Amino acid sequence: DVKVTQSSRYLVKRTGEKVFLECVQDMDHENMFWYRQDPGLGLRLIYFSYDVKMKEKGDIPEGYSVSREKKERFSLILESASTNQTSMYLCASTWTAFNQPQHFGDGTRLSIL
Amino acid sequence: QKEVEQNSGPLSVPEGAIASLNCTYSDRGSQSFFWYRQYSGKSPELIMFIYSNGDKEDGRFTAQLNKASQYVSLLIRDSQPSDSATYLCAADSNYQLIWGAGTKLIIKP
Repeated sequence: DVKVTQSSRYLVKRTGEKVFLECVQDMDHENMFWYRQDPGLGLRLIYFSYDVKMKEKGDIPEGYSVSREKKERFSLILESASTNQTSMYLCASTWTAFNQPQHFGDGTRLSIL
Repeated sequence: QKEVEQNSGPLSVPEGAIASLNCTYSDRGSQSFFWYRQYSGKSPELIMFIYSNGDKEDGRFTAQLNKASQYVSLLIRDSQPSDSATYLCAADSNYQLIWGAGTKLIIKP
């Protein structure tokens, strides 16, 4: 079974802080994704990565950056947290082809005060 | 902007009946389609995926794909209270998945 692990289930931070969300997968997947999910808006892609040190912007990259130094780990960074970044953040991974099912971590519910 | 559209619901279905969830997509180039179930406060979990026109069955679940009409559906037979959740539809487009906002399904005992 694929295991995607996100470092925190719940996180509370203050505006202006630099926030790190970590994601690790154990299935040697090539592709990894970061989404945020807000009520009524569905899943919105922030960034994805198809290989180590490679990254691509998704639909809403503003205010975020990512890092992929190792194949199994994909980090999302909020450079200077703002209250409108309060959301559920979901990490996912998949095999080489982009048309394969994505496997999700448990999610991190992030609150910015 | 490519889109996947779903009725937000809630869709209320009696226990034991068939629940029918629908999804339309805008990218005619989409080849792969996915249904995920998401319980409140949890992350999405894959139920089924379908690549070819027609029906694909897995236990109580059947996915149906009609590429000509750009329409995907999910049927749940013998609905159980544990099926109450939000169901997300997704289609591949330009090296990513495009997600619908989900349909909330309520199974009434």
